[in-house]
Amino acid sequence: AQSVTQLDSHVSVSEGTPVLLRCNYSSSYSPSLFWYVQHPNKGLQLLLKYTSAATLVKGINGFEAEFKKSETSFHLTKPSAHMSDAAEYFCVVRTINTGTASKLTFGTGTRLQVTL
Amino acid sequence: DGGITQSPKYLFRKEGQNVTLSCEQNLNHDAMYWYRQDPGQGLRLIYYSQIVNDFQKGDIAEGYSVSREKKESFPLTVTSAQKNPTAFYLCASSSTGTGLWGGQPQHFGDGTRLSIL
Repeated sequence: AQSVTQLDSHVSVSEGTPVLLRCNYSSSYSPSLFWYVQHPNKGLQLLLKYTSAATLVKGINGFEAEFKKSETSFHLTKPSAHMSDAAEYFCVVRTINTGTASKLTFGTGTRLQVTL
Repeated sequence: DGGITQSPKYLFRKEGQNVTLSCEQNLNHDAMYWYRQDPGQGLRLIYYSQIVNDFQKGDIAEGYSVSREKKESFPLTVTSAQKNPTAFYLCASSSTGTGLWGGQPQHFGDGTRLSIL
């Protein structure tokens, strides 16, 4: 079965410094992986997705993630944090399609705090 | 603009009462999903539907029911059998794909927060 582990429940950075949110996955085959962001009392917004093309994936708002099969990791990074980046981030793996629906397994989330 | 609309934003349930959460999408997506979110637990799948008049149980379907009479709508009923209904409920939709690499990202509504009176 596929699963994801977010290694930090909470990360705090200063504005203008780099962001690193860590995610390891477990899968019996090459997975499809996603990062979503959730602001308070809002739904989830897709940041980026990996589906077996380029291993370095660029997303919205300056975020990117690198798929490393040897390390079974899919860490999310951003060179310079902004106050508006403060939110909850979810690493997600897509399970094998049953029929045509796309089932997702979510990590437990990492809360990013950005300080002045 | 296309999107997913969930209503109401806040909902209160009395003991022994059934309540229904609304989810409507105008993205022309075939697949729709309901998730429950509890603090520190990520999202867990309640039900999903791939096509009108068809739906399947997710990981935590007990105490919940759904219907899919129209492509655009996928309401969730939280029944009195759900003993711990207080949570944030999220509806999502996606276009469909086939094969191992198919499947498009899911788009989410802004959620309904359900509390017990």
